[in-house]
Formats: sequence, structure tokens, C-alpha cells
Amino acid sequence: AQSVTQPDIHITVSEGASLELRCNYSYGATPYLFWYVQSPGQGLQLLLKYFSGDTLVQGIKGFEAEFKRSQSSFNLRKPSVHWSDAAEYFCAVGAQAGTALIFGKGTTLSVSS
Amino acid sequence: DTAVSQTPKYLVTQMGNDKSIKCEQNLGHDTMYWYKQDSKKFLKIMFSYNNKELIINETVPNRFSPKSPDKAHLNLHINSLELGDSAVYFCASSPRAQGTNEQYFGPGTRLTVT
Repeated sequence: AQSVTQPDIHITVSEGASLELRCNYSYGATPYLFWYVQSPGQGLQLLLKYFSGDTLVQGIKGFEAEFKRSQSSFNLRKPSVHWSDAAEYFCAVGAQAGTALIFGKGTTLSVSS
Repeated sequence: DTAVSQTPKYLVTQMGNDKSIKCEQNLGHDTMYWYKQDSKKFLKIMFSYNNKELIINETVPNRFSPKSPDKAHLNLHINSLELGDSAVYFCASSPRAQGTNEQYFGPGTRLTVT
């Protein structure tokens, strides 16, 4: 079955500390992988995507993610977290264009001062 | 220069009513989607259209009916609203012709059924 697992429901990090959000997927075909961020009361904003090629991808707002096929993982990282990064983060997997994205249940990021 | 827009942003209505949510994208994309986000923030696909043709129709009550008058618009009509329909509904679009599947989301419509 196709699925996305985000093992951490809620993470709190100090401002300026590094961040890693975990994502594991189960998908039969070659996956397209995404990270989205949702600020309170807002829509989903695409942070970054992986289709093929270099397994380390850079996104907006200083985020990066690394695709590891052997571990079926696509973890999101940021070297130094800002208070404005507090939000809900969703990992998603999909196939070719036109198909639905399958989302994880999300990780809530809180940033402490 | 809004990319994907939805109206209304908030919708409060009573059980049994019929309501519609509208979605428009100005990105020139071919494919549009409706997702439902429940109270636990879980997102799940409901429908998708490509060039006005329905291509995904998940297990959704037939009280929900999508309509795509053209490839830039995808509306969602809901009949006989129930308490369980309360959720945030997101419209999204993707450029199918490019072969990738990055989807761009609207701001969402928070539906509350009382």
C-alpha cells in the first residue's frame, strides 16, 4: 500500500538550532517527493521537491532534503531555525503528473526562544 | 498575482443545506484537484480533473459533485451538508504537461456545518 509516515507528531527546537524532520514512504513506482509547509490558517506552500538526479535538494527558506532510496526516506533539514518557521510540515509522495499526492500526517514544529 | 484562489475562505452553514466552493487558477495548469483536510490535519484527495475531464474520483459521498467549466476553474458543490463535512477544503493545480507532479495549493475554505 502507498503511504507516507512522519514519525514525529510534534517537535520543539530552540531558535538558531538545527532541525531535521523525518519522512518515510512506501510507494510502488518511482516516487516524486515533496515537502509542504502550512502556517496557521494558511494554505500549503511547496518547500521543495525531488524528482530525480542529485539526492540532496535545496528549497525555499533555507530548507534542504535528502532522498535515500535504500531507506525509503526523504528527511527535511534546516541548519538554523527561525521563529517564523513554526508551522505544520507535510511530506508527500506522488507519481506522474495528474495523480494524487499522498500526504503524511504532518509534524508540528514549535520554536522556542 | 494570486496563483490558486478559492472562495469563500470561510463558510458556516446548517445541516441539510447545499453549498458551493469555487476555485480558480491563473497558472495555465492542466490539472486541478480537491483535497479535504480533517480536524487532525490529515489531507486526502477527493477529485481531480484534467482539461475538464474527471480523472480521480475517490470514495467520496455522492453528495459531493465537482464541476469544471474550463481548465482554469474547478468548483465543488455539496448537497445535504452533514456535521462530518466540517473540514478545510483545498483546491490545487499542477502542470500535467510537464510530466512532474508539483501541486500548488489555494488558501483553503474552512467549512463549518452546525
